Amino acid sequence: EIVLTQSPAILSLSPGETATLSCRASQTVTRTYLAWYQQKPGQAPRLLIYGISRRASGVPDRFSGWGSGTDFALTISRLEPEDIAIYYCQQYQQYSESPYTFGQGTKLEIK
Amino acid sequence: EVQVVESGGGLGEPGGSLRVSCAGAGFIVRNDWVNWVRQAPGKGLEWVGRIKSDRDGGAIEYAPPVKGRFTISRDSANMVSLQMNNLKTEDTGVYYCTVHTTFLQFAIDLWGQGTLVTVST
Repeated sequence: EIVLTQSPAILSLSPGETATLSCRASQTVTRTYLAWYQQKPGQAPRLLIYGISRRASGVPDRFSGWGSGTDFALTISRLEPEDIAIYYCQQYQQYSESPYTFGQGTKLEIK
Repeated sequence: EVQVVESGGGLGEPGGSLRVSCAGAGFIVRNDWVNWVRQAPGKGLEWVGRIKSDRDGGAIEYAPPVKGRFTISRDSANMVSLQMNNLKTEDTGVYYCTVHTTFLQFAIDLWGQGTLVTVST
C-alpha cells in the first residue's frame, strides 16, 4: 500500500499570496494516478486536479498540480478567502489491498 | 444534474448492523465504478471498498479494516448498498458514496453529500 504524506499540516497565508502544498508518496505512484481534492467545512470533497496536473471541470486556473514519481505538489495562486479548506492528495494503485489511498490533508488558512 | 444521494446510516451499537444506500440521479449507477469512502470525525479520508461496473465484471473489493464485516451490493440498476455488520466504534464517521462517472485516471469526480454513521453504546 502506498502511503501519502502531506506537508505542511497547516498553512496560513494572506489573500493574494501563493500556496504550495506538498504530497510525498512512500513509493512511485503508478503512471499519473495522482489527484487533489478540496474539502470545505461541512461539505463533501471536490475534485480539483487529476492525472497529476489536469484541472477538473470548472476549476479555476489559479489551481495547478505538478510533480512525478514520489513528489507532488498543488499550487494555489492569488489566494482568496474562499480557498479556506482542507486539501487532500490521493493515489491509485491497481493491485493493492487498498488501491485508493489519501494523504492526511493540509489545512489552508487565510489570514 | 448528475448526483448521488446516500440514505440510511444513523446510530448503531458495537457488534450491531447498519445499512447505507446510494442512489444515482441523472445517470445509471450500474455503468460506473462505485467506491465508498469514509471520514472519521475530525480525520482524513479512508477508502472502504468498491464495486466495479457491470461492463468491467462487477468485482468487489474491501479495505482490510472492514473486510469480512462489510458487504457492498447492487440492489438495482441505480442503487448500491453498503451493509455493515459486527460494527466497531472505529467505524464511526461520515460515509460517502462516490462514483467514477468519467475515467479521470482513477480520480473520483462525483461525491454524495455523505451520511453519518455513529457506533456507540
